[in-house]
Amino acid sequence: AQRVTQPEKLLSVFKGAPVELKCNYSYSGSPELFWYVQYSRQRLQLLLRHISRESIKGFTADLNKGETSFHLKKPFAQEEDSAMYYCAPGSARQLTFGSGTQLTVLP
Amino acid sequence: DTGVSQDPRHKITKRGQNVTFRCDPISEHNRLYWYRQTLGQGPEFLTYFQNEAQLEKSRLLSDRFSAERPKGSFSTLEIQRTEQGDSAMYLCASSLLGLGRNEQFFGPGTRLTVL
Repeated sequence: AQRVTQPEKLLSVFKGAPVELKCNYSYSGSPELFWYVQYSRQRLQLLLRHISRESIKGFTADLNKGETSFHLKKPFAQEEDSAMYYCAPGSARQLTFGSGTQLTVLP
Repeated sequence: DTGVSQDPRHKITKRGQNVTFRCDPISEHNRLYWYRQTLGQGPEFLTYFQNEAQLEKSRLLSDRFSAERPKGSFSTLEIQRTEQGDSAMYLCASSLLGLGRNEQFFGPGTRLTVL
């Protein structure tokens, strides 16, 4: 069965501090890996996808196939990064979401 | 607004009643998904359409749930004989086949409360 673990439900950091949101997954085959974000009172939206190896809003995600982890990182957190973040491995047919990490960046 | 739209945004119903939700995807998107999200959890996959064909169904989708996408455009999700456990946010998403992106665009959701 597919399983996604985001161990921290809540994470608080100070502005300017580094932030890492953890994601471990168990998935048959070779899934695509995504991070989705939901800002307050907004809809769920794609933050980044591993295959494109891009950096969005200063975030990057490191895939470790051996550990089956896909942690999201940002070197200097900003207050506008406060949001709910979901790790989501999957395919074109469906995504499996973790339970999410609520990130709060304190001033 | 050219994003995914869902109607209604909120629905309160009594246990045992039937409810139907509508999703209008982004116009050129041929893939459509339904997810369910309960408090404190991430979205859970329910079903997937490619054009009008329903190609994937989760085991979460009991016999009381049925989804259609008759002309490959909008979709409906019907829940028959609602139960209190059906209370959740129902999310629709769409994407475009091809281009290798597989990015799903989400709607605002329909919040269902079963009394």
